[in-house]
Amino acid sequence: DTEVTQTPKHLVMGMTNKKSLKCEQHMGHRAMYWYKQKAKKPPELMFVYSYEKLSINESVPSRFSPECPNSSLLNLHLHALQPEDSALYLCASSQVSAVNTEAFFGQGTRLTVV
Amino acid sequence: GENVEQHPSTLSVQEGDSAVIKCTYSDSASNYFPWYKQELGKRPQLIIDIRSNVGEKKDQRIAVTLNKTAKHFSLHITETQPEDSAVYFCAASAHRNNYGQNFVFGPGTRLSVLP
Repeated sequence: DTEVTQTPKHLVMGMTNKKSLKCEQHMGHRAMYWYKQKAKKPPELMFVYSYEKLSINESVPSRFSPECPNSSLLNLHLHALQPEDSALYLCASSQVSAVNTEAFFGQGTRLTVV
Repeated sequence: GENVEQHPSTLSVQEGDSAVIKCTYSDSASNYFPWYKQELGKRPQLIIDIRSNVGEKKDQRIAVTLNKTAKHFSLHITETQPEDSAVYFCAASAHRNNYGQNFVFGPGTRLSVLP
């Protein structure tokens, strides 16, 4: 199984809503990532979890709150978002202990903030 | 932090011709350089990667070269086909033990293969 599964595929939310994005992998990867991708732009790293602990936070606003409840799951909790937060949110996973390994991406959640 | 530049931003080639995309990076600690292909509305998918201890790697019609001294690496696609049309991203990463990868992506190249 080389799949990273993200739910939902599409999400429309208001600026006062609270929602969560979910990501799951069963490859035994202990590093998981959240990326944000705007149209015609490259993915931008938001957060990295290593062994279920937050290891990198790329100065992301607090309205985005990541959570890694176990080694297979990664969530991104959303609250009080702005329309400019509309984007494709990609989850990825990779090994941690091996040097330089491939990151597998999920299909993404396309988020629209209205 | 790492900065990755990529050229050209758009590239059109005739079917059967070769395509070359070039990237430069700034952080000498970067030691892993993957290339991703992203079709419209789909996830990025790894097509080839190269590690810092290797100068060149080839997989069928795709090859990547790395010049660590000059801090640049290139993607070469030969005998291009219409299904090669997509956006290609290079990336650079410096692995740190127990921290995972901090991939930084280039801005992307939109490749169009004309039949």
